[in-house]
Formats: sequence, structure tokens, C-alpha cells
Amino acid sequence: LAKTTQPISMDSYEGQEVNITCSHNNIATNDYITWYQQFPSQGPRFIIQGYKTKVTNEVASLFIPADRKSSTLSLPRVSLSDTAVYYCLVGDSPYNNNDMRFGAGTRLTVKP
Amino acid sequence: DGGITQSPKYLFRKEGQNVTLSCEQNLNHDAMYWYRQDPGQGLRLIYYSQIVNDFQKGDIAEGYSVSREKKESFPLTVTSAQKNPTAFYLCASSISGTSGGQREQFFGPGTRLTVL
Repeated sequence: LAKTTQPISMDSYEGQEVNITCSHNNIATNDYITWYQQFPSQGPRFIIQGYKTKVTNEVASLFIPADRKSSTLSLPRVSLSDTAVYYCLVGDSPYNNNDMRFGAGTRLTVKP
Repeated sequence: DGGITQSPKYLFRKEGQNVTLSCEQNLNHDAMYWYRQDPGQGLRLIYYSQIVNDFQKGDIAEGYSVSREKKESFPLTVTSAQKNPTAFYLCASSISGTSGGQREQFFGPGTRLTVL
């Protein structure tokens, strides 16, 4: 069963690139990797999803090595508004894979 | 304007009372979910529904009940059997399907329930 491990918290400064790594040693062949962002008192918001190699959108990049046992969310040039909790999820769907769950996430604090 | 709505935003109840939280979506999504979030914690899955008139227990279903009589609506009842009901409750929806990757979940604004 795929479980994920992320750092509990990270600090950064405005304008820096932030990389948040998620470990998922038991990822299954059909599993995708998905990242969500959550601001206080709001529901999470989808950021990016990938299966292998690299995925990039207007918000972030997702790097997945060949063995897929980890993944890295990269946020370019963060601003204060990127302060949030970031969740890494691994699985095919919530009802097909019991481990496609939201863990505690990584609390990112961006400082001026 | 498509989206998912939850009401009310804040809810106060006395201990021992049942309370129902509303969740409505006009995204034409088949799947809907209820999560609970405690301070500083991640989201925990309470119930989910893949299709009308069908729903499944998640990880922490005890003390909760749901119904799915319409595609658009998935109300959650917090019963008196739930020992610690004070929490932030989030509803989400997604398109259905079990292959081709995870389906992006769209979340509502949440309901903060406080039991006095």
C-alpha cells in the first residue's frame, strides 16, 4: 500500500524557488502522484498531477525520478501568497486505493 | 457559475443533537466526498459516493451518516454518536472513473462545526 512521507514544515523567502519532496516507496504501477494546496479555512485546491518524468503547468513543476519512489513539487519564485499547506497524494482513486489519502502535508511559510 | 457549495459556513450545536451539513454541486460530477479536518491535521475521509443512491464508508464513518438521493446533493449528518464532532468539514466532488489517473477533487468552502 502506497504511503507518503513529507516534511512537516518548510520556510522560504520571497522570490526563491521552493522544492518539496514526497517519499512514496511502495507506489504501485497504476498510481499517479497528485499535489494539492490548502489555505487556512479553505478547501484544498489541485495544483498538479503526474505519473513519471516531469510535468509543468503555469503554477508548478513536478519531478518524478525513474523509480517513482519519490516526487518533488517545485514552486518557482514564491511569494507571500504561497504560504499554505501542500499535500502529496499517491494512488489511482480514493475508492480503489485505500492509501490515496490526505496526510498532514507540508506547511510552507514564505517570509518577506 | 459552476462550483460546489456548503452551508452554513459556521454551525453551533448543543451536545447530543444531530446536525446536517449541506453540500451541493452543479459540476455534473458523479463522485462526491466528505472529509473532516481537525486543527493542524490533514483531511480524513468520512464517506464517499460514486453514484446516486450509493455510498461507501471512508476511514472515520462512525457517528456520521449520508444520503445521495440526487446527483447534485450529498448531505452529511453528524449524529450524537460522534464523540468529538467539533471540526472543519469539507465536501468535494470529482468526475467518476477508476482508471487513467486520479480524478481532481473540487472542494467546497467548508463548514466549521462547533459543539457546545
